[in-house]
Amino acid sequence: AQSVTQLDSQVPVFEEAPVELRCNYSSSVSVYLFWYVQYPNQGLQLLLKYLSGSTLVKGINGFEAEFNKSQTSFHLRKPSVHISDTAEYFCAVSEKKGKSTFGDGTTLTVKP
Amino acid sequence: DGGITQSPKYLFRKEGQNVTLSCEQNLNHDAMYWYRQDPGQGLRLIYYSQIVNDFQKGDIAEGYSVSREKKESFPLTVTSAQKNPTAFYLCASRRGQGRTDTQYFGPGTRLTVL
Repeated sequence: AQSVTQLDSQVPVFEEAPVELRCNYSSSVSVYLFWYVQYPNQGLQLLLKYLSGSTLVKGINGFEAEFNKSQTSFHLRKPSVHISDTAEYFCAVSEKKGKSTFGDGTTLTVKP
Repeated sequence: DGGITQSPKYLFRKEGQNVTLSCEQNLNHDAMYWYRQDPGQGLRLIYYSQIVNDFQKGDIAEGYSVSREKKESFPLTVTSAQKNPTAFYLCASRRGQGRTDTQYFGPGTRLTVL
């Protein structure tokens, strides 16, 4: 079975500061990794995904993530955050038969 | 616009009542999913369907039931057997069973049991 661990449940940061949201995974097969964002009382939307190829993946809203196979990590980064980035972020790994396993989420709070 | 709709957005129910949450998609996706979201617990899979007239239990199916009579619709019934039904429910769809396919989510239904 595959699993996902998001290492921080809450990350407070000041506006225009850099941020990193950490995600580790465990899997015995090749992995496909996703980051989703959820704004309050809304569904999830895809930020970016790693399928193969370059380990640095760029997504929407200036976010990027780096796949590190040796450390089994897929950390999400943004060099300068905005107030509007305040949301919950989920890391997910895709499994067989069309299922996905999600982490417990990280709440990013951007303060002025 | 293509997408997933869920209704209602907010739902209140008395204990002991069954309630059905609607999920419709016009993305022509084969696979559909229901998740439950509780604070600090991420998303937990209730049921999923890879094709019309077929569905499988997820990790927390007890107290829930689904049907998949049409490709675009995947309603979830929360029965009185569900001991703690107050939660945020998310419906999602995916083009197929491929592991590389993205899931697309609806806006969610917040169910509160009074």
